[in-house]
Amino acid sequence: AQKITQTQPGMFVQEKEAVTLDCTYDTSDPSYGLFWYKQPSSGEMIFLIYQGSYDQQNATEGRYSLNFQKARKSANLVISASQLGDSAMYFCAMRELNSGGSNYKLTFGKGTLLTVNP
Amino acid sequence: DTEVTQTPKHLVMGMTNKKSLKCEQHMGHRAMYWYKQKAKKPPELMFVYSYEKLSINESVPSRFSPECPNSSLLNLHLHALQPEDSALYLCASSQDMGTGVGNQPQHFGDGTRLSIL
Repeated sequence: AQKITQTQPGMFVQEKEAVTLDCTYDTSDPSYGLFWYKQPSSGEMIFLIYQGSYDQQNATEGRYSLNFQKARKSANLVISASQLGDSAMYFCAMRELNSGGSNYKLTFGKGTLLTVNP
Repeated sequence: DTEVTQTPKHLVMGMTNKKSLKCEQHMGHRAMYWYKQKAKKPPELMFVYSYEKLSINESVPSRFSPECPNSSLLNLHLHALQPEDSALYLCASSQDMGTGVGNQPQHFGDGTRLSIL
């Protein structure tokens, strides 16, 4: 079974509008971290935002916020006021912190390609 | 600008060539990673170095040989590669391998786009 599921292969949004990118995860580890990365066509993976499993509040970083629903095991990324430069592939990733020898490992979803239209 | 620098940005090599990919970070991170990424796929972990020692080899073929000369540098030596090895190779670093709870994102470089002829 996939540990990270991103169900939207592609998304389109109009410039200046908000967009939500979905991510669900599967783990039995009570301690885990969730990350979102942005990868433009140039190739660099850019870290956007982090949510820890024990964090009480949803993470926010500028125009990025994470809608964390622990009971539903979802960690959706919300981008407000989309810009043309937001067009990129977005990956959700998880690190399970009690997985013994594998707690270094980031498990990535398959990604969502976001296109921002002018 | 990324804080993890990878060179070269592009590399074309024949199957009999020997080449090296280089990665440098000056964030004081003690864990460094090599990933391979095929087009439209997520990155796949290859190697992890922790405190300059190879900690993890994800069953990578021996034609890929990593090296960590010091805490800031990570190399990936390539020899006798196959066409299916053509991919984007990403280097990343983090504070350490990630013991305990906490925000320890991996910071990635721009990658090297490798093409094997």
